Amino acid sequence: GQQVMQIPQYQHVQEGEDFTTYCNSSTTLSNIQWYKQRPGGHPVFLIQLVKSGEVKKQKRLTFQFGEAKKNSSLHITATQTTDVGTYFCAVTDKTGNQFYFGTGTSLTVIP
Amino acid sequence: GAVVSQHPSWVICKSGTSVKIECRSLDFQATTMFWYRQFPKQSLMLMATSNEGSKATYEQGVEKDKFLINHASLTLSTLTVTSAHPEDSSFYICSAERGDTQYFGPGTRLTVL
Repeated sequence: GQQVMQIPQYQHVQEGEDFTTYCNSSTTLSNIQWYKQRPGGHPVFLIQLVKSGEVKKQKRLTFQFGEAKKNSSLHITATQTTDVGTYFCAVTDKTGNQFYFGTGTSLTVIP
Repeated sequence: GAVVSQHPSWVICKSGTSVKIECRSLDFQATTMFWYRQFPKQSLMLMATSNEGSKATYEQGVEKDKFLINHASLTLSTLTVTSAHPEDSSFYICSAERGDTQYFGPGTRLTVL
């Protein structure tokens, strides 16, 4: 079955430092989505990547889809305290029939 | 746009009782909605896919007779936890599909005493 692992599980950074979380799938993906969940809140859609090698940017966030469409990364430049939360990737497998959330990376930003 | 609501936001019930949770897409129609549960500090686990006008599709290991799902209209899906037990205590989140994107409700925290 589909396995979607994210690393690291937890990350503490000083405010202003960069942060990266990686999402790895055991199978080739149709697309990948990224979500942010604030403590006590619900997941909020950030972006979707579809094409092999695709790179998208949202202000300080950079999202990348691997060439083999099996992995993805989310990079935050110069973190701020508002970036605190858990970042989940969510994937649709090649058949397009199954949707899975990754294990998540919890980000803590120390002021 | 693309707002999803859930009701109630939290509920406490006695063991053995049933609890109904509503998920509504407020400004769009959703043929497909999803129900997840999330334990503290863990990821979202898909429980079932709710399809308007047809039976829900349950993930492996999810008891369909315990977690009843009804997708009565294009804007409403309900999850009923029947004969709830303390181990059913969790955060239940629904999402509604619009195009390729899922929009999540704010979640319902269920505590079974």
